[in-house]
Amino acid sequence: AQKVTQAQTEISVVEKEDVTLDCVYETRDTTYYLFWYKQPPSGELVFLIRRNSFDEQNEISGRYSWNFQKSTSSFNFTITASQVVDSAVYFCALSGRDGATNKLIFGTGTLLAVQP
Amino acid sequence: DTGVSQDPRHKITKRGQNVTFRCDPISEHNRLYWYRQTLGQGPEFLTYFQNEAQLEKSRLLSDRFSAERPKGSFSTLEIQRTEQGDSAMYLCASSLGEYSNQPQHFGDGTRLSIL
Repeated sequence: AQKVTQAQTEISVVEKEDVTLDCVYETRDTTYYLFWYKQPPSGELVFLIRRNSFDEQNEISGRYSWNFQKSTSSFNFTITASQVVDSAVYFCALSGRDGATNKLIFGTGTLLAVQP
Repeated sequence: DTGVSQDPRHKITKRGQNVTFRCDPISEHNRLYWYRQTLGQGPEFLTYFQNEAQLEKSRLLSDRFSAERPKGSFSTLEIQRTEQGDSAMYLCASSLGEYSNQPQHFGDGTRLSIL
């Protein structure tokens, strides 16, 4: 069975602080993909990043960075110098090769509140 | 670049009524997904189309739920005899390709409230 766990329900930081959102996954697939999505108050899920299971290189995009560690089945997301506009619910998701549907298995999300 | 479009944005109906939602995916995307999201939870997979073929349905999708994608373009999700537990946000997503797990792009969702 596939499962994604986001243990942090809510995080509150002050603007300019760095913040890390944790994601732990479970899968029996050897080939799988991990994703992060952002859901602002408006409701639309916004795609942030996709990583496949064979690429453990960390990635940086502006203030965002992702740390993928297969040894601990984790795919953590760090925002440096947080801004009020970063306030949203962030979802980690997993997609395997089960039936080649590529459906996403989401975690329960982490609500990030960035205070000015 | 036109994204995924869903209609209506909000639907309020009485228990027992039928409702239908529409999703227009990104035009070149052949894969279309429906998810359901309740308060405080992540989206849960409901069903998947590749072109016009419905290839997978979740056990969450009871007999009261039916989805179609008649010409491989837009899709509809119908709920018959709605129940209180159907209140949720219904999300549609689309993606391109077959085996490459391309990112799914989501619409704004349809929020269903059952009175």
